[in-house]
Amino acid sequence: AQSVTQPDIHITVSEGASLELRCNYSYGATPYLFWYVQSPGQGLQLLLKYFSGDTLVQGIKGFEAEFKRSQSSFNLRKPSVHWSDAAEYFCAVGAKGGGGNKLTFGTGTQLKVEL
Amino acid sequence: EAGVTQFPSHSVIEKGQTVTLRCDPISGHDNLYWYRRVMGKEIKFLLHFVKESKQDESGMPNNRFLAERTGGTYSTLKVQPAELEDSGVYFCASSHRTGSGNTIYFGEGSWLTVV
Repeated sequence: AQSVTQPDIHITVSEGASLELRCNYSYGATPYLFWYVQSPGQGLQLLLKYFSGDTLVQGIKGFEAEFKRSQSSFNLRKPSVHWSDAAEYFCAVGAKGGGGNKLTFGTGTQLKVEL
Repeated sequence: EAGVTQFPSHSVIEKGQTVTLRCDPISGHDNLYWYRRVMGKEIKFLLHFVKESKQDESGMPNNRFLAERTGGTYSTLKVQPAELEDSGVYFCASSHRTGSGNTIYFGEGSWLTVV
């Protein structure tokens, strides 16, 4: 069975600083990997996804993530954080089955941005 | 194009009552999923429809939960009778393609509080 670990429950960064959110996964085959963000009172928004090909994936809002098979990681990065990035971030791995993707989520990382 | 829409956005009910959550997927999406996040825990898969058929309901917690998708369009998730531990956010999601590489789009969630 697949699993996702987000080791950091809370992270605080200053506005303008760089950000890296960690994600490690366990999956027996080539994974489909996702990062979602949930802002306060909002739903889950897809930031980016990795299915195959280039291991550096660009997403919305200036985010990127790099798939590293050797480390079973899919860390999310942003070079300069904005106050509006304060939210909860979820890494997820998708298992192909039954014609669709069943996602397994990590426990989330709550990002706080200090002005 | 309208996204995944969920109703109600918030619901407060008493223990023992019944609540029905509705989800309208993105038009043309055959795959429909229900997930939930109980307070403080990770987002967990409940079930997956392909059109009107239940493809995978391995995540349904118990028989107090009933999901339907008559006609393969919108879906409902009924909780009867509701218990305190059912409180949380119920997310609906949909995707278009079957097989590999499909992106899953989430709604804003239905926030359920059982008192």
